[in-house]
Amino acid sequence: QVQLQESGPGLVKPSQTLSLTCTVSGGSISSGDYYWSWIRQPPGKGLEWIGYISYRGSTYYNPSLKSRVTISVDPSENQFSLKLSSVTAADTAVYFCARYVGPLVIIDYWGQGTLVTVSS
Amino acid sequence: QSALTQPPSASGSPGQSVTISCTGTSSDVGGYNYVSWYQQHPGKAPKLMIYEVSKRPSGVPDRFSGSQSGNTASLTVSGLQAEDEADYYCSSYAGNNYFSVFGTGTKVTVL
Repeated sequence: QVQLQESGPGLVKPSQTLSLTCTVSGGSISSGDYYWSWIRQPPGKGLEWIGYISYRGSTYYNPSLKSRVTISVDPSENQFSLKLSSVTAADTAVYFCARYVGPLVIIDYWGQGTLVTVSS
Repeated sequence: QSALTQPPSASGSPGQSVTISCTGTSSDVGGYNYVSWYQQHPGKAPKLMIYEVSKRPSGVPDRFSGSQSGNTASLTVSGLQAEDEADYYCSSYAGNNYFSVFGTGTKVTVL
């Protein structure tokens, strides 16, 4: 059973960089046709793709966030990470990491989500 | 890429059926057979309920079914139960290297 767990600060100051890490257990991040993903959900609102990365390092970013987002992968640690720069209050959200099965276009495993608040 | 359009809310009594629509365009919903549906209870991560328009993952009750006509996909929950009360999101492939887009979400209330 694959499990994903987000970690990182729950409070970030405006204009700073939000950094989160997702640790994958129960399976190798380097196996299969999977894309390791970040999705966010502002309080009371819907889901929004941030982007994803393959274990080989190929990435896709939501065009609306592309200039501020970096997703990286560390196969040796079975982890992948998110950096979102120049944050504002609009970036306050629950951030989910997830496993995206590209050929089926589905997310089959999710982390529990972590709330990140942008506030001074 | 715009979010797919869903009604904000839907409701039904226990035992009844409720159908949720998900409207996109020929560039996403109408162009491919890759619509999926997720259920999300408050404070929880979403759960995959339907994929490839009408397929159910193992463990999802057959009360949940999906269909598609043109640019609109639908999720039907038959025999509503209290635990079906949740938010539901559709998602569709939108071309370009496995990119997909979510719907706006529908809150289902069991009366």
